[in-house]
Amino acid sequence: DAGVIQSPRHEVTEMGQEVTLRCKPISGHDYLFWYRQTMMRGLELLIYFNNNVPIDDSGMPEDRFSAKMPNASFSTLKIQPSEPRDSAVYFCASSWTGAKNTGELFFGEGSRLTVL
Amino acid sequence: RKEVEQDPGPFNVPEGATVAFNCTYSNSASQSFFWYRQDCRKEPKLLMSVYSSGNEDGRFTAQLNRASQYISLLIRDSKLSDSATYLCVLTHQTGANNLFFGTGTRLTVIP
Repeated sequence: DAGVIQSPRHEVTEMGQEVTLRCKPISGHDYLFWYRQTMMRGLELLIYFNNNVPIDDSGMPEDRFSAKMPNASFSTLKIQPSEPRDSAVYFCASSWTGAKNTGELFFGEGSRLTVL
Repeated sequence: RKEVEQDPGPFNVPEGATVAFNCTYSNSASQSFFWYRQDCRKEPKLLMSVYSSGNEDGRFTAQLNRASQYISLLIRDSKLSDSATYLCVLTHQTGANNLFFGTGTRLTVIP
């Protein structure tokens, strides 16, 4: 079975440009999470969805960040305008209600973003 | 103060050694605890849950001390393949799956 699929794997862009990261969760999973990882701050939860509805977006750094989940098989994380401090690896992860006590999230391979 | 604090390491140990990592957490209401493993430039993966009574999975032993607010991971008989970053993880509610991660402890096992 396919795991969580993220695209692009790598993106280099210039400050001020719009960045869109994409995620396809594992089929049948009803939770989707967006995390950001940097050396200094580690993995930070940005936002998560349950059944396509945003549940907690308190980790979204500022209004430049937005996330959507139009259906159960697709989510986007958008940064507009991007800044150098947004450079990080962005991970998408999915899980399902039956696994809530297991602590197991299934992560994609990540999108490595560099903003120049 | 960070929610989860870990010694970043690196820990460099010879094959066959025993190594232990600790992690402290600031929110006393934290409910569930886990260890994740992340290989270099890869995604994190669940290693094991941490139970109050302590639990073992092969060469790995996890312990939780709620009174002192720390958890630990012990690896016995280290293998080269154990080289990775180990992430301390917790949730705020029982059954919650929005996880909070530490910055990780890097382990290198040397031949």
